[in-house]
Amino acid sequence: KQEVTQIPAALSVPEGENLVLNCSFTDSAIYNLQWFRQDPGKGLTSLLLIQSSQREQTSGRLNASLDKSSGRSTLYIAASQPGDSATYLCAVGPMNRDDKIIFGKGTRLHILP
Amino acid sequence: DGGITQSPKYLFRKEGQNVTLSCEQNLNHDAMYWYRQDPGQGLRLIYYSQIVNDFQKGDIAEGYSVSREKKESFPLTVTSAQKNPTAFYLCASGRILTDTQYFGPGTRLTVL
Repeated sequence: KQEVTQIPAALSVPEGENLVLNCSFTDSAIYNLQWFRQDPGKGLTSLLLIQSSQREQTSGRLNASLDKSSGRSTLYIAASQPGDSATYLCAVGPMNRDDKIIFGKGTRLHILP
Repeated sequence: DGGITQSPKYLFRKEGQNVTLSCEQNLNHDAMYWYRQDPGQGLRLIYYSQIVNDFQKGDIAEGYSVSREKKESFPLTVTSAQKNPTAFYLCASGRILTDTQYFGPGTRLTVL
């Protein structure tokens, strides 16, 4: 059974610093991996989607990498801003199309002004 | 505008009452989902549907019911059998189960 873990559960970083959020998964047979952002009391917004055949995806200051063999993904945020404060969740899409996407519990990020 | 909507944003229920949460999408997605989110617990899947008139239980279906009579709509009923219904409920949709999911803004249910 696929398990998705995100450590740490919370992180505080001074504004302007680059940072990395981690996501690990137990079964490397995945279809894709996705990073979401959630603001307090709101729904999830998709940030980046990496297909299993890809190694990374970039969008603006965000870069997500995927290493299936080690069961890890990272989300790199460059030049952090207070507006980046949110909870970041990763989700793994299974190879079996009848299985469901599995979410991590998220990392709550706070950027200190 | 294409998107997924949930209503109401806030909902209050007395103990013993059933309540229905609305979820509508105009993205032409086949798959729809209901999640429950509690502090520190992450997202937990309640029910999901891959096609009209068909749905499957997720990890915590007890005390909940759904219907999928139209492709655009996937309402969730929280019944009186759900012992701890106070939570934030999120609806999502996607083209297929393994595709990216698009989330609604959520409904916060409070039992008084």
